[in-house]
Amino acid sequence: RKEVEQDPGPFNVPEGATVAFNCTYSNSASQSFFWYRQDCRKEPKLLMSVYSSGNEDGRFTAQLNRASQYISLLIRDSKLSDSATYLCVVNPGGGYQKVTFGTGTKLQVIP
Amino acid sequence: GAVVSQHPSRVICKSGTSVKIECRSLDFQATTMFWYRQFPKKSLMLMATSNEGSKATYEQGVEKDKFLINHASLTLSTLTVTSAHPEDSSFYICSARSSTDTQYFGPGTRLTVL
Repeated sequence: RKEVEQDPGPFNVPEGATVAFNCTYSNSASQSFFWYRQDCRKEPKLLMSVYSSGNEDGRFTAQLNRASQYISLLIRDSKLSDSATYLCVVNPGGGYQKVTFGTGTKLQVIP
Repeated sequence: GAVVSQHPSRVICKSGTSVKIECRSLDFQATTMFWYRQFPKKSLMLMATSNEGSKATYEQGVEKDKFLINHASLTLSTLTVTSAHPEDSSFYICSARSSTDTQYFGPGTRLTVL
């Protein structure tokens, strides 16, 4: 099993739609979790951290399910500008320094 | 959010030359920085972990003599691609880890070796 798995997509959704991505991780002791977005030929940019209690930032909601070992990202009222690749990042913690990236989920919002 | 700069953003060089890429954390100190490379339509690949004041830790398959990393201060890490060849052409991205364990990425350097 991969350390971090994501559905590569693409997810093609119309403007205004709600879309959700999941990301599963294999290390149950993982400490912290993040969602990044990456536009074509650009660097990844932090979208939001994922907290145990779940967190919301505008149209974006992130959830963590430790029992099932996955995190999710929900995007409401999709905009054309949301088109990007969304990367799930897992930090194992426990003295490890490097994080593990998922391969990313591609989202295309269609007019 | 925190800002990380990378220089140069784009470089074209001849085969056999060396190229140095700088990564700076502008508004925070980073004891740990990371170097990644990314091929078109592929995911990020970690090359090495750069620790201030000590030797970098390289991932399996990454040649340490070819990709020299120096983390001279808490705000600067450099990656030197020595004797570059066309197969080294790629998008190189650094990141710096903040005190909250969050990684902030530089804008990347696109290297083309002719």
